[in-house]
Amino acid sequence: GESVGLHLPTLSVQEGDNSIINCAYSNSASDYFIWYKQESGKGPQFIIDIRSNMDKRQGQRVTVLLNKTVKHLSLQIAATQPGDSAVYFCAENMGDTGRRALTFGSGTRLQVQP
Amino acid sequence: EAGVAQSPRYKIIEKRQSVAFWCNPISGHATLYWYQQILGQGPKLLIQFQNNGVVDDSQLPKDRFSAERLKGVDSTLKIQPAKLEDSAVYLCASSLEARRSEKLFFGSGTQLSVL
Repeated sequence: GESVGLHLPTLSVQEGDNSIINCAYSNSASDYFIWYKQESGKGPQFIIDIRSNMDKRQGQRVTVLLNKTVKHLSLQIAATQPGDSAVYFCAENMGDTGRRALTFGSGTRLQVQP
Repeated sequence: EAGVAQSPRYKIIEKRQSVAFWCNPISGHATLYWYQQILGQGPKLLIQFQNNGVVDDSQLPKDRFSAERLKGVDSTLKIQPAKLEDSAVYLCASSLEARRSEKLFFGSGTQLSVL
């Protein structure tokens, strides 16, 4: 079935650099997307979300970009810090499938080098 | 505001045994979800409740998994009998309603090891 996927399983960046985590989705009917951060031994923590009627949304140090033409979602983290080291998941609702719960991708591990 | 509470934190059992997990959602949240997260993968939905009714259990292996939310507040997920492939983290989440554009709040999960 259709599901959310990620391009890179692991991303390593230097402290202070900007990070970009990518996500591809295949369900063109999805209309809500969300990024979660998961640290070891913890549950996923909300970072930022975006609806399909937007193409960009900014939070504190984070920006989510949505390109519906190519079904691509990205999370940008500015001035990456060691505390940003975690696994990042994108998730989507599945639009007209009727399933209202979020469907998650497989995740990208972000490693921040001091 | 208290978050989603789950217990136990860890559980180790042998295959064919039974196990139960408990979840108490954020106060006032009508919708409760159970997700299974296998190591190295994203969470996968098992079941979704709206108050005490099941909204979606299409991915729940009903021959061995069961869940209930009798009073529309806390919930129990049970596995009987457990298999080796059930080793995973079981995450409970809640949301205020069941709208399609709504973020979920997750608990810390129960890590299950089936030997």
